[in-house]
Amino acid sequence: GAVVSQHPSRVICKSGTSVKIECRSLDFQATTMFWYRQFPKKSLMLMATSNEGSKATYEQGVEKDKFLINHASLTLSTLTVTSAHPEDSSFYICSAKGLILDEQYFGPGTRLTVT
Amino acid sequence: QKEVEQDPGPLSVPEGAIVSLNCTYSNSAFQYFMWYRQYSRKGPELLMYTYSSGNKEDGRFTAQVDKSSKYISLFIRDSQPSDSATYLCAMSAGAGNNRKLIWGLGTSLAVNP
Repeated sequence: GAVVSQHPSRVICKSGTSVKIECRSLDFQATTMFWYRQFPKKSLMLMATSNEGSKATYEQGVEKDKFLINHASLTLSTLTVTSAHPEDSSFYICSAKGLILDEQYFGPGTRLTVT
Repeated sequence: QKEVEQDPGPLSVPEGAIVSLNCTYSNSAFQYFMWYRQYSRKGPELLMYTYSSGNKEDGRFTAQVDKSSKYISLFIRDSQPSDSATYLCAMSAGAGNNRKLIWGLGTSLAVNP
């Protein structure tokens, strides 16, 4: 149980375009999902917390107009990187909050490369 | 001082060894403690979670929490090459659905056959 999928697993896009990443909880309902960014050999950096049916809460320094988050249902949250630039190239990972404690279940990640 | 400290390693051990991974923290409000394993280019996988102090065992893995010392550990018995990964500790405090996890930097482990 507690499976989270993420799509696409890898995407290459041109500078200036937008990219949408989907995060789905497959076998449980997730009222809260999280979006992280991870640089090579670095720990996870929380970008935003997404609650179903409400606006996301962004961490300090994360541009909400650049990283659009939508959590329209209990099983789906999306992250859209708007007007992507090469510095946005990174590994993006979503997670869904579990039902028991504060555990989070992670998707497999999306490798974004902006050329 | 960071809220959570974790030695990044790398840690290299022979197959079959007992591995000890540790994190220290400064916030006494932390109550939930987790260990995740992350293989290269994959999302983290939840291994163990505990609430408050004490031990928890699951197969070859044992998690320990010592709140008085603000110290948590993950032990891996009979380590296997497939255990080679980065191990991250995470913990949380507070209330509500927006409760964030505070992460350690991760310890890179290599188990050599």
